[in-house]
Amino acid sequence: AQKITQTQPGMFVQEKEAVTLDCTYDTSDPSYGLFWYKQPSSGEMIFLIYQGSYDQQNATEGRYSLNFQKARKSANLVISASQLGDSAMYFCAMRELNGGSQGNLIFGKGTKLSVKP
Amino acid sequence: ETGVTQTPRHLVMGMTNKKSLKCEQHLGHNAMYWYKQSAKKPLELMFVYNFKEQTENNSVPSRFSPECPNSSHLFLHLHTLQPEDSALYLCASSQGAVGGGAEETQYFGPGTRLLVL
Repeated sequence: AQKITQTQPGMFVQEKEAVTLDCTYDTSDPSYGLFWYKQPSSGEMIFLIYQGSYDQQNATEGRYSLNFQKARKSANLVISASQLGDSAMYFCAMRELNGGSQGNLIFGKGTKLSVKP
Repeated sequence: ETGVTQTPRHLVMGMTNKKSLKCEQHLGHNAMYWYKQSAKKPLELMFVYNFKEQTENNSVPSRFSPECPNSSHLFLHLHTLQPEDSALYLCASSQGAVGGGAEETQYFGPGTRLLVL
């Protein structure tokens, strides 16, 4: 079964508007971390934001915020005031504290975001 | 140099060639990783090294041979590859290799785009 599900293969957003990228996850481990990465066409995977399973507040990092709904196992990324440079692939990932494989990072299939001028 | 660097950035090789990919991290981390990213597939973890010791081999064919001489350097030796091995190979590092905490955030290099003819 897929552990990380990103249901939007592609998204469009108008420049300066906000956009939400969806991510749901599946785990029975009570301790885990959720990560979002951005991958421009150049290929580098850029870390954006982290949310721990025990964190009480939603993570924020500049224009990025994570809408963490633990009961729904959802960790959506919100990008405010979109910029042209935000056009890229976005990956949600999870790492379990007690994961069988040394808690390795498990990635979703990604969402391609295109920002329109 | 800062962050994680990878060389070469692009590589074309024949099926009988031997080549090596190099990764270097300047973050003082203890864990290093090799990932494979093929078109339209999630990132696949290949190898994990923690304090220079290999802790994970994710059923990778023996034509891929990793080497980690110290915590800052990681190599991937390639021998008699197949065309289906063409992909983006990403190296990453993190402070630790176990757990889902923020300190296990993985930072990636720019990747090596490999084409096997």
